[in-house]
Amino acid sequence: DAMVIQNPRYQVTQFGKPVTLSCSQTLNHNVMYWYQQKSSQAPKLLFHYYDKDFNNEADTPDNFQSRRPNTSFCFLDIRSPGLGDAAMYLCATSRDELAGVREQFFGPGTRLTVL
Amino acid sequence: GQNIDQPTEMTATEGAIVQINCTYQTSGFNGLFWYQQHAGEAPTFLSYNVLDGLEEKGRFSSFLSRSKGYSYLLLKELQMKDSASYLCAVMDSNYQLIWGAGTKLIIKP
Repeated sequence: DAMVIQNPRYQVTQFGKPVTLSCSQTLNHNVMYWYQQKSSQAPKLLFHYYDKDFNNEADTPDNFQSRRPNTSFCFLDIRSPGLGDAAMYLCATSRDELAGVREQFFGPGTRLTVL
Repeated sequence: GQNIDQPTEMTATEGAIVQINCTYQTSGFNGLFWYQQHAGEAPTFLSYNVLDGLEEKGRFSSFLSRSKGYSYLLLKELQMKDSASYLCAVMDSNYQLIWGAGTKLIIKP
């Protein structure tokens, strides 16, 4: 089945220790997104890739970086995690179309704990 | 600024009907989505409205009024498994999703 996969599902890191979260998709979608979601809050868009074009949200901290080496994979790097970065990180994909529903398909998420 | 408003929490009884409202103010409009999110899981797509009116899909229906900046999600014949958060999201003029904080729906037997 075509899907969005995130690894790991649960990640524990120490304050200040770099961590990388990964996302892969078999949907062949050209747009990929990274969201941060804290409990009982709306998902917050960190950045997205339109093909290889990287789009950073204005309020995304420099501590967050991303890489998309090919269509299928996307990585989120947190260079120096702080306690406030503990959250669920959601990867999503969509197909850019001029018409039709641009539904976003979500992976299961990675829950990050910072000790 | 862009804003999506929906109630924080609602409670309903198994077998009943519940309506979750969403109002929005966004820069441009390219459709409104409803997603369901169970605790600790990712959002899953429920519905998409871009034209005014009611879209029905099984037990779930979604309504849109663009002139009023208003939508609702109607859930019929509620089941315990419908306990979840329901997120309203609007696609703006840049085709980015603006998300509401979600409505936590609690179903009681």
